[in-house]
Amino acid sequence: SQTIHQWPATLVQPVGSPLSLECTVEGTSNPNLYWYRQAAGRGLQLLFYSVGIGQISSEVPQNLSASRPQDRQFILSSKKLLLSDSGFYLCAWNRGSTDTQYFGPGTRLTVL
Amino acid sequence: DAKTTQPTSMDCAEGRAANLPCNHSTISGNEYVYWYRQIHSQGPQYIIHGLKNNETNEMASLIITEDRKSSTLILPHATLRDTAVYYCIVRASPANAGKSTFGDGTTLTVKP
Repeated sequence: SQTIHQWPATLVQPVGSPLSLECTVEGTSNPNLYWYRQAAGRGLQLLFYSVGIGQISSEVPQNLSASRPQDRQFILSSKKLLLSDSGFYLCAWNRGSTDTQYFGPGTRLTVL
Repeated sequence: DAKTTQPTSMDCAEGRAANLPCNHSTISGNEYVYWYRQIHSQGPQYIIHGLKNNETNEMASLIITEDRKSSTLILPHATLRDTAVYYCIVRASPANAGKSTFGDGTTLTVKP
């Protein structure tokens, strides 16, 4: 069966520090991968998606970047965090032929 | 993807059916209606999806109107563990990248 992992689960970082969040998927190959951010009490905003290694599409201009160095690994990064980067970050995957997405447990980021 | 409109919140008595409405008046012919739910501080969980026929699975039923402009998710016997935010999204399938931002959803509170 397929599983999706995210780490860390929680993170507190000072403004101006770098960020690296990791997402990995097991039990499937060539998944579509997604990064979402969720502000408190709000819906999910799509940040990035990837259909293959090295292929990244950005949905909104921001302080963040994404990379896909391996087929089942998706990384969200920032060189300098802003206060507004705080939120709940969710990674998700699906297969190319279906649209049902499966979400990871999320990372709660607090920027102080 | 077509935009969806959902009530902000709903209450339901434990053991009763919970009926969650969703309007998607701009839906196009190849777009599916998907429902997810998110229990506090967890990743969203897929519930059900449909194109034009009503669908049922072990979690819920999905009723789509004949003109496809609205739908209703039915939890037949709500339990306290069904308290969550429910998201209705519309998405074309199959798609190599199911780009969708989830709206604010409906917060369902199941009361004893």
